[in-house]
Amino acid sequence: GENVEQHPSTLSVQEGDSAVIKCTYSDSASNYFPWYKQELGKGPQLIIDIRSNVGEKKDQRIAVTLNKTAKHFSLHITETQPEDSAVYFCAASSYNFNKFYFGSGTKLNVKP
Amino acid sequence: DSGVTQTPKHLITATGQRVTLRCSPRSGDLSVYWYQQSLDQGLQFLIQYYNGEERAKGNILERFSAQQFPDLHSELNLSSLELGDSALYFCASSIQQENYGYTFGSGTRLTVV
Repeated sequence: GENVEQHPSTLSVQEGDSAVIKCTYSDSASNYFPWYKQELGKGPQLIIDIRSNVGEKKDQRIAVTLNKTAKHFSLHITETQPEDSAVYFCAASSYNFNKFYFGSGTKLNVKP
Repeated sequence: DSGVTQTPKHLITATGQRVTLRCSPRSGDLSVYWYQQSLDQGLQFLIQYYNGEERAKGNILERFSAQQFPDLHSELNLSSLELGDSALYFCASSIQQENYGYTFGSGTRLTVV
């Protein structure tokens, strides 16, 4: 089955700096890669996703890049703000299957 | 509010007991997914239902079962509970069978003592 690895497990940045979280996956059949943000006491919230026919996707301060050859994808957050502090999860899935394989999460702390 | 409602928010029970977790999907969503989130294992997919039928199964123990009712709400039943079953249980919903467009509920925190 699919195996998703996520790094780093914790990340501390100064407000205004950029943050990068990286994930690798093992199953070449995976073709959908969402990123979720989980705040304390809440469920994961989809913040951005990318499909395998695209190499990069941007939404304001958030971007995701995908390298299918190397089987890795990354989340980039620019101009970080304290409200970006949360746990971020990457996931991988195939359209043929109805389950996500999640990474182990990255706790992002943005210091004011 | 994500539109996915989970009850109860917290549950404390003893080992060996049985509990039922409830999920109401977002209006219009036909698929319901259950996930377990424990400290050492992250988010683990348990099971998916689409319009009342089981569609996909993950790492769900035989002691656990689920169903989706005609009104599309779903219940996750956990029996013969063990200490290791203590976790956050999340329900998510989507409009189709496909897995994009997931919306998660806020979860049920189960503590087994």
